Amino acid sequence: EPEVTQTPSHQVTQMGQEVILRCVPISNHLYFYWYRQILGQKVEFLVSFYNNEISEKSEIFDDQFSVERPDGSNFTLKIRSTKLEDSAMYFCASSPDRGYQPQHFGDGTRLSIL
Amino acid sequence: KNEVEQSPQNLTAQEGEFITINCSYSVGISALHWLQQHPGGGIVSLFMLSSGKKKHGRLIATINIQEKHSSLHITASHPRDSAVYICAAGGETSGSRLTFGEGTQLTVNP
Repeated sequence: EPEVTQTPSHQVTQMGQEVILRCVPISNHLYFYWYRQILGQKVEFLVSFYNNEISEKSEIFDDQFSVERPDGSNFTLKIRSTKLEDSAMYFCASSPDRGYQPQHFGDGTRLSIL
Repeated sequence: KNEVEQSPQNLTAQEGEFITINCSYSVGISALHWLQQHPGGGIVSLFMLSSGKKKHGRLIATINIQEKHSSLHITASHPRDSAVYICAAGGETSGSRLTFGEGTQLTVNP
């Protein structure tokens, strides 16, 4: 069964550095999402992406964050000037463009800011 | 803004017991999702439903749209069912965000 792939599985970065989290969504899916889960807290929506543009973003997704689909397969989340509170598990998800379809999640990238 | 509440937060059961996890949400949705999160952190979609009831193996999910309430049932529970179960509400439009509940930590003892 096709799956969403995220790399790396664990990223350790110094505070203030930029980090790029990578995702390969399922190939025929057209909606892409990023969520994060701070340790011990619930999963929170960051951003959704469709037709090469952001379709919805949360209040968390400020100018520090950006998303990009640089080619036909990758979907990236860039975090500039990382802060300690950016430490979390980041999940990528994708869903087909047929309306009201389940979102398929990757295994997540654990981001640790030192 | 949708609020999603789950209960209980923690649930311990003996193998073979029937388990129910409840979820309520505050505003209209396109669908309600039940997800399973494993100890390593990975998230797996179990069900997506907008009305009635769905069944997959020993798992059953129901939803009452009028009452804005959903339940996840596990019949004949097994230690391998131990995980965090999360309900998440989809927005009213296609492709919109999921709003997650806090999750229910289920432990099934042999």
